[in-house]
Amino acid sequence: QKEVEQDPGPLSVPEGAIVSLNCTYSNSAFQYFMWYRQYSRKGPELLMYTYSSGNKEDGRFTAQVDKSSKYISLFIRDSQPSDSATYLCAMKRSAGANSKLTFGKGITLSVRP
Amino acid sequence: EAQVTQNPRYLITVTGKKLTVTCSQNMNHEYMSWYRQDPGLGLRQIYYSMNVEVTDKGDVPEGYKVSRKEKRNFPLILESPSPNQTSLYFCASSPTGLAGDNEQFFGPGTRLTVL
Repeated sequence: QKEVEQDPGPLSVPEGAIVSLNCTYSNSAFQYFMWYRQYSRKGPELLMYTYSSGNKEDGRFTAQVDKSSKYISLFIRDSQPSDSATYLCAMKRSAGANSKLTFGKGITLSVRP
Repeated sequence: EAQVTQNPRYLITVTGKKLTVTCSQNMNHEYMSWYRQDPGLGLRQIYYSMNVEVTDKGDVPEGYKVSRKEKRNFPLILESPSPNQTSLYFCASSPTGLAGDNEQFFGPGTRLTVL
């Protein structure tokens, strides 16, 4: 079983839809959870970060972590065509840059006008 | 503008011809890393560096070399490229504070094709 599993997609939704992106993981030592967004022909950029279990909201985006189920989600409300990108979940065990970041494979989202 | 730059952005080469992909950051970050991104495999770490003259292997280091002689630069060297190194390469940097959310800043990517 891979350490981090992410739905492969792709995913296509109409503008205004609520989008749910999910990752599961097997390593209970993961404590820090991130979502990166990658536009076509660009490098990934950090979108959301959560420590341990709980929710975090930033505008139309909500990150949710359920450590008991080893499951993380990113919700996008009122999705826009500008949200069309590849979304990668990432997680690591401890604070500090020397803690390896493990990525999911990414899911490509397309929001249709 | 704070950024990570990579050169070249696109490269087509032949098997065995040594090449270097440069990476430079202007944010005074201690940590730098190289990843490759392949369809169905996601982002995998090749090498990383915690500071000048300190480098270590990631998950897929075979066939690659790196050096960190200056804080801002972290070149990736392929001494004898092979077709299985055809991939999209990203350089990233971050500070090394103990905050768990020390964001990694990624460069724009280098698409390498080895014939």
